[in-house]
Amino acid sequence: KQEVTQIPAALSVPEGENLVLNCSFTDSAIYNLQWFRQDPGKGLTSLLLIQSSQREQTSGRLNASLDKSSGRSTLYIAASQPGDSATYLCAVTLNDMRFGAGTRLTVKP
Amino acid sequence: EAQVTQNPRYLITVTGKKLTVTCSQNMNHEYMSWYRQDPGLGLRQIYYSMNVEVTDKGDVPEGYKVSRKEKRNFPLILESPSPNQTSLYFCASSPLPTSEGYSTDTQYFGPGTRLTVL
Repeated sequence: KQEVTQIPAALSVPEGENLVLNCSFTDSAIYNLQWFRQDPGKGLTSLLLIQSSQREQTSGRLNASLDKSSGRSTLYIAASQPGDSATYLCAVTLNDMRFGAGTRLTVKP
Repeated sequence: EAQVTQNPRYLITVTGKKLTVTCSQNMNHEYMSWYRQDPGLGLRQIYYSMNVEVTDKGDVPEGYKVSRKEKRNFPLILESPSPNQTSLYFCASSPLPTSEGYSTDTQYFGPGTRLTVL
């Protein structure tokens, strides 16, 4: 059974810092991996989707990488801003979608 | 605007009182699903539907029912709610999976329903 782990569970950084969020999964047989953002009281917003044949995806200050063979993905956020404060979730998909528990990010002004 | 709507957003109820959480999407998506989110456990799938009148169990279906009589609607029914069903619930929709497996498009999530069962 696929298990998805996100480390750290919480992270606090000063504004402007570059940071990396980690996601690991136990079964490398996946179709894609997605990173989502969740704001308090809101639903999930997809940030980046990486197909299993891809190594990385970029959107603005966000860059997500995927190493399927080692079961790892990272989400790199450049020049963090207070507006980046949220919970970030990764999810892997094969026959269904499996989520990690998330990393709660706080960016201090 | 493309969206998934859920109602109610907040609900406090008592054990055993039947309730329904509605979910509707306006994107003509075939695939819809329900998740619950609990602290430290992430999102877990309750039920999903590939199309009208086609539903299947996810990871944690016990205590829940669903129906898909129309493409746009996918209500979640708790026939006899219990305190362990206190959670944050999300509905999601997406295009049908491709022949390779899951959809290459992202799922669109509703805003969530916070349910408390006393």
